[in-house]
Amino acid sequence: AQSVTQLDSQVPVFEEAPVELRCNYSSSVSVYLFWYVQYPNQGLQLLLKYLSGSTLVKGINGFEAEFNKSQTSFHLRKPSVHISDTAEYFCAPRTGKLIFGQGTELSVKP
Amino acid sequence: KAGVTQTPRYLIKTRGQQVTLSCSPISGHRSVSWYQQTPGQGLQFLFEYFSETQRNKGNFPGRFSGRQFSNSRSEMNVSTLELGDSALYLCASSLDSGSYEQYFGPGTRLTVT
Repeated sequence: AQSVTQLDSQVPVFEEAPVELRCNYSSSVSVYLFWYVQYPNQGLQLLLKYLSGSTLVKGINGFEAEFNKSQTSFHLRKPSVHISDTAEYFCAPRTGKLIFGQGTELSVKP
Repeated sequence: KAGVTQTPRYLIKTRGQQVTLSCSPISGHRSVSWYQQTPGQGLQFLFEYFSETQRNKGNFPGRFSGRQFSNSRSEMNVSTLELGDSALYLCASSLDSGSYEQYFGPGTRLTVT
């Protein structure tokens, strides 16, 4: 069975500080991994994806994530956040269907 | 290219009624998936359709059903509405059932009173 855990439900951070949103997954088979972002009152937007190859993947808006197979993690990072990054972030592994974590609310303060 | 569109955007219904939500995928996309988003349960997979056939199904009661038309447009129906069905219903499209990237619509906000 496939499952995903986002370790932090809320992450407050000051503008221009670095941030890491943590995601651990479990799966008995190979997975593809995604991070989505949801701005208030909007649908989900794909930030980045890992399908295969290099374990460090870069996405939109300066975000990147590292796939760690041994630790079954796919943490999302950004070296310097902006106010506009305030949103909810979802980690989602996929074998057949896409399974979403509970989300991490990133709040960037001035 | 136009994105995924969902209609209506907002809907208010009464307990016991039924509702139909519509989703138009990105042109050329043949797979449509539906998700329910609530504060308590988060994002949960409802079902996926490809070429008018249901490919995957989540753990929802039979009151939740869907279908896909030959032009890939999809509808989902919820019968005998309950208060707990109040949620944001998101539709996502992808090129085909094996594609990895899903593109989401803005959602339909359903309120059951």
